[in-house]
Amino acid sequence: QVQLVQSGAEVKKPGASVKVSCKASGYTFTGYYMHWVRQAPGQGLEWMGWLNPNSGGTHYAQKFQGRVTLTRDTSISTAYMELSRLRSDDTAVYYCARSSIVVIPAAEGIDWFDPWGQGTLVTVSS
Amino acid sequence: DIQMTQSPSSLSASAGDRVTITCRASQSITTYLNWYQQKSGKAPKLLIYAASSLQSGVPSRFSGSGSGTDFTLTISSVQPEDFATYYCQQSYITPYSFGQGTKLEIK
Repeated sequence: QVQLVQSGAEVKKPGASVKVSCKASGYTFTGYYMHWVRQAPGQGLEWMGWLNPNSGGTHYAQKFQGRVTLTRDTSISTAYMELSRLRSDDTAVYYCARSSIVVIPAAEGIDWFDPWGQGTLVTVSS
Repeated sequence: DIQMTQSPSSLSASAGDRVTITCRASQSITTYLNWYQQKSGKAPKLLIYAASSLQSGVPSRFSGSGSGTDFTLTISSVQPEDFATYYCQQSYITPYSFGQGTKLEIK
């Protein structure tokens, strides 16, 4: 079955960087876009950006532009989200989620997220 | 950016009740609207995509409707396992955005 498994919880100091991994299985990793979403404690869901695992192309929400980097390693079917210059308000659970949009032949159609990874708690504290 | 507003923010219901949650977009998103269910401490789960299509494996008591700016999620007969938080999401244009959530609680 299609599954996304994320790396474990992290504790970081303000100003540091964090890199979260998301390992895909059960489908062709390079065939579908991958999204990243975060959720602060007790809050709603916030979309961060998407990754094209085939080309490595990315698109980020303006809020995170310059601080977030989405990458992938196709040899191990894994996507990564790196967030730099961490602040206390970056404390959140970070999720990867597979898009419904196929990369090839062309990205089109309505986009929805399924499945989601189990989430990775990133705590930023001095 | 498109703002998504859900109502109510919370509601109480008894098992067997019919429940409706509303989601409004700040501009037309045609049918680029999805619904997710999130239980405490778990990742969101897709329920409805493209406004009214039921995701495989999701019980038929869940249904979605609407287009343009106004959408609804209906649970025809709430079951104990349905008590959770529900989010709408627009995927019409980036940045994709979610509603603030509706918490369904047991009365």
